[in-house]
Amino acid sequence: GAGVSQTPSNKVTEKGKYVELRCDPISGHTALYWYRQSLGQGPEFLIYFQGTGAADDSGLPNDRFFAVRPEGSVSTLKIQRTERGDSAVYLCASSLRPLYEQFFGPGTRLTVL
Amino acid sequence: AQKITQTQPGMFVQEKEAVTLDCTYDTSDQSYGLFWYKQPSSGEMIFLIYQGSYDEQNATEGRYSLNFQKARKSANLVISASQLGDSAMYFCAMSTSGSARQLTFGSGTQLTVLP
Repeated sequence: GAGVSQTPSNKVTEKGKYVELRCDPISGHTALYWYRQSLGQGPEFLIYFQGTGAADDSGLPNDRFFAVRPEGSVSTLKIQRTERGDSAVYLCASSLRPLYEQFFGPGTRLTVL
Repeated sequence: AQKITQTQPGMFVQEKEAVTLDCTYDTSDQSYGLFWYKQPSSGEMIFLIYQGSYDEQNATEGRYSLNFQKARKSANLVISASQLGDSAMYFCAMSTSGSARQLTFGSGTQLTVLP
């Protein structure tokens, strides 16, 4: 079956612009996660959805970051007024059940100039 | 709060030999899961193996096994019969019942398999 997909694979934007990153999880997976990975580091948690609701958004760095999952499937991570420090790979993962394995997408590499 | 520590930034192993990648963890939760992921240079995170905190047997998946020592809070990954394709970054991660199931990752170990 299809894995987790993310679009775009690469996004280059200018400081101050708005960006949207999309994640399409594995069909039937109710749990969806966003992580951010900076160069040379492990991924860091941003937000977790169970169904349509954000069950935990404690990892979002500030109010410029927002994510939605309106129908309980596809999710969009939105970043307003991008800053150079937002440059990273944004990873999406989905899971069939909590506390079990999460399957990751290929990531979106965001570069803010 | 949860923490994962990987103390080996880089490791080298000869092809066909076994290698152990170290991981220690810290949590006050009684229910948790431990995971290992492989990240090749292509960037995708590949799930390798899972160990639940209540599992009495060490997890095994093909050439991968997880050496789970609960009292020492360690969850080392053992790769047997290393292959050139095993060269990658390896991350240890943990999920707890008290953390909304998010994964907390270590800093990773870069494994290089030598021919």
